[in-house]
Amino acid sequence: EPEVTQTPSHQVTQMGQEVILRCVPISNHLYFYWYRQILGQKVEFLVSFYNNEISEKSEIFDDQFSVERPDGSNFTLKIRSTKLEDSAMYFCASSGGVPTEAFFGQGTRLTVV
Amino acid sequence: GQNIDQPTEMTATEGAIVQINCTYQTSGFNGLFWYQQHAGEAPTFLSYNVLDGLEEKGRFSSFLSRSKGYSYLLLKELQMKDSASYLCAVRDNAGNNRKLIWGLGTSLAVNP
Repeated sequence: EPEVTQTPSHQVTQMGQEVILRCVPISNHLYFYWYRQILGQKVEFLVSFYNNEISEKSEIFDDQFSVERPDGSNFTLKIRSTKLEDSAMYFCASSGGVPTEAFFGQGTRLTVV
Repeated sequence: GQNIDQPTEMTATEGAIVQINCTYQTSGFNGLFWYQQHAGEAPTFLSYNVLDGLEEKGRFSSFLSRSKGYSYLLLKELQMKDSASYLCAVRDNAGNNRKLIWGLGTSLAVNP
């Protein structure tokens, strides 16, 4: 069964460092998303990406964040200068035109120290 | 504003039936989703409603009333493995903006 894969599963980084979280969405999907979930809190939308551009972003997705689809398969989230409050589980998701539900990767747990 | 409300916690007994409610207030509506999330894992899709009524899928059913901004997830013949958080999410825009607005989730504990 096709699935969304994310790497790494866990990343520890020092405050102020740049991190890149990687995702391989399901191959025939057209819509890509990043969500995050701080421990014990709700899942929060960060950004959606369609047709090689950001289609929507939340207020969380400030200038420290960027997304790229560098080739036909990868979808990355970059955090330029990490802060302690960026510590969370980051989920990548993708969806096709039909069906419409989003399929989630297993997440990357980011710990900023 | 955007708001999705669910009970924080519920407890049920193995073999029983449990109903988890969700109410929403969003600027637009283009479908309501239920996801299951085990601790430390990704949300997994359970059901999708865009029209009023009941959608049944095995032991799980989901109901939607758009006029009331209300949905429920019904779990029958509960099993221990159903202990998880159940997340209600609404897609609030049509077109290319397909983001989901999430509730906090309902933590369900199934006891023997």
